[in-house]
Amino acid sequence: EDQVTQSPEALRLQEGESSSLNCSYTVSGLRGLFWYRQDPGKGPEFLFTLYSAGEEKEKERLKATLTKKESFLHITAPKPEDSATYLCAALSNTGNQFYFGTGTSLTVIP
Amino acid sequence: NAGVMQNPRHLVRRRGQEARLRCSPMKGHSHVYWYRQLPEEGLKFMVYLQKENIIDESGMPKERFSAEFPKEGPSILRIQQVVRGDSAAYFCASSPPHSSYEQYFGPGTRLTVT
Repeated sequence: EDQVTQSPEALRLQEGESSSLNCSYTVSGLRGLFWYRQDPGKGPEFLFTLYSAGEEKEKERLKATLTKKESFLHITAPKPEDSATYLCAALSNTGNQFYFGTGTSLTVIP
Repeated sequence: NAGVMQNPRHLVRRRGQEARLRCSPMKGHSHVYWYRQLPEEGLKFMVYLQKENIIDESGMPKERFSAEFPKEGPSILRIQQVVRGDSAAYFCASSPPHSSYEQYFGPGTRLTVT
């Protein structure tokens, strides 16, 4: 069964304290792995797409990496404005359905 | 360039009524996805449409739910005879024709069934 699991469910960091969020996926041939940020009461905001193991993408304090079973979202020296829920999603080769994880709720404390 | 628009943002319906949710994609986008998000759960895929064509509706409940994306106008998600379990946030996302993987989400419609 295709599915995506994210951990931890919630993460509290001090401002400047770097950490990583995990996204484990099992899909029938990965076509793409996607990261989004979602603020309360809003729709997800697209961050990154990764297509193959070993690929990395960066944007400001965020870096996404991909292996054959997992993706990581590394947050370097986070700021309070990075507080949000981070979602990952996987798209398999066998369909058009994006499988979303339940997200990691990140809180960065000043 | 305006983002994806959804309306209404909040919708209250009594059990048995119909709910119509609208999604206007970003300019130039020709693909629309609909998702449902329940509290404490992830986004669940419902349907993927191109203009005048349903590409994949494998996530749609077999009864009471339908979706369309006409040649002109917004995409519509229609829920007939709503029940309490339909209460959720419904999001649509649009994608450009050259990259259907890049989804840009709207702000969502929060449906409450009383």
